Amino acid sequence: SQTIHQWPATLVQPVGSPLSLECTVEGTSNPNLYWYRQAAGRGLQLLFYSVGIGQISSEVPQNLSASRPQDRQFILSSKKLLLSDSGFYLCASRGLLATDTQYFGPGTRLTVL
Amino acid sequence: QKEVEQNSGPLSVPEGAIASLNCTYSDRVSQSFFWYRQYSGKSPELIMSIYSNGDKEDGRFTAQLNKASQYVSLLIRDSQPSDSATYLCAVNAPNFGNEKLTFGTGTRLTIIP
Repeated sequence: SQTIHQWPATLVQPVGSPLSLECTVEGTSNPNLYWYRQAAGRGLQLLFYSVGIGQISSEVPQNLSASRPQDRQFILSSKKLLLSDSGFYLCASRGLLATDTQYFGPGTRLTVL
Repeated sequence: QKEVEQNSGPLSVPEGAIASLNCTYSDRVSQSFFWYRQYSGKSPELIMSIYSNGDKEDGRFTAQLNKASQYVSLLIRDSQPSDSATYLCAVNAPNFGNEKLTFGTGTRLTIIP
């Protein structure tokens, strides 16, 4: 089965500071990778997904960006954080078949002050 | 109409009773259906997956799928306090992008001792 690592686990950043969250996946090859954000008490919001190295699809226009420099590495970045960027950030991995399960990483809790 | 709809709850169920969680979806050609459990502050974890009409049982959990009526449900028998969590329904909906799952906003379940 897959194992997804995310770091850091928690992060407190001032408004206007940069952001870099990293996700790595073990136990699979060529997965689809996803970044979600979950605001407190809310549902999952898909931010970006990637079907391969260097291929990024953006779901929501905002001040965040994503990159996939290696097959099992997915990075979420921002040049300048906003208060509204606070939330629980989840990386997920899924195979290519419609029946494939999606697995989630442990998440990063980001607080922007 | 939302792609995947769930009653947000909270749904309160006495300990030992059956908890019934429902989900409807709009894409008629959806093929795969998943139930995730999310404890407060944690990432979602897969409970059940179902692909064919009918029932699928796994321990105290039963998933039910009715493609003609476009709904999927999750029954939890002999509910325990540890079942208190938010339950997310996810659907592979080709008309909304085959590369990603579409999630409902979740139903918050509370088991009352």
